[in-house]
Amino acid sequence: KNQVEQSPQSLIILEGKNCTLQCNYTVSPFSNLRWYKQDTGRGPVSLTIMTFSENTKSNGRYTATLDADTKQSSLHITASQLSDSASYICVVSPRGSTLGRLYFGRGTQLTVWP
Amino acid sequence: NAGVTQTPKFQVLKTGQSMTLQCAQDMNHNSMYWYRQDPGMGLRLIYYSASEGTTDKGEVPNGYNVSRLNKREFSLRLESAAPSQTSVYFCASASGPASGLYEQYFGPGTRLTVT
Repeated sequence: KNQVEQSPQSLIILEGKNCTLQCNYTVSPFSNLRWYKQDTGRGPVSLTIMTFSENTKSNGRYTATLDADTKQSSLHITASQLSDSASYICVVSPRGSTLGRLYFGRGTQLTVWP
Repeated sequence: NAGVTQTPKFQVLKTGQSMTLQCAQDMNHNSMYWYRQDPGMGLRLIYYSASEGTTDKGEVPNGYNVSRLNKREFSLRLESAAPSQTSVYFCASASGPASGLYEQYFGPGTRLTVT
């Protein structure tokens, strides 16, 4: 069964600290993996998209890593800011899908305290 | 350039009532999507449209119908609302299919409550 599991479910850190969010998936065959940021009351916004051949991709203070062999990804946030408080969602796209199907994780709720 | 817009933002329905959620994008995208997001669950695909005139069922299509009116607009209709359809509904669009490296752009969502 195709699944995307994220951990932790929630996380609280102090402003300026770093953190790492985890994503494990069983989707196969695999096309690409995405990380989205969703602020409360808003739609998700894309942070990174990686293919199976990419190991790392950065977007400012956000760095995503991918290990396609172990089916694991992580999102590292450096020097956190209050505006980083949001839900971070890992999304996996299967290869060959004609239905536009994406598999969404349940998200990690990050809270950054001053 | 407004991106993806959705109307209404909030709606309360009684069981059995019908309504249509509207979605429009101004990015000339081919693919459009309807998702629902429930507390503690990931987004789930309701329906998908790869291009004008085509629609496909997603993971949870029961109780919904869609219309791809033109390239810009993709509407979602609840014919007889049920409390289980209480959710936040998101519309999204992309240049191409999800299996490609096409970024999906989401609207702000419609918060629907069915009593």
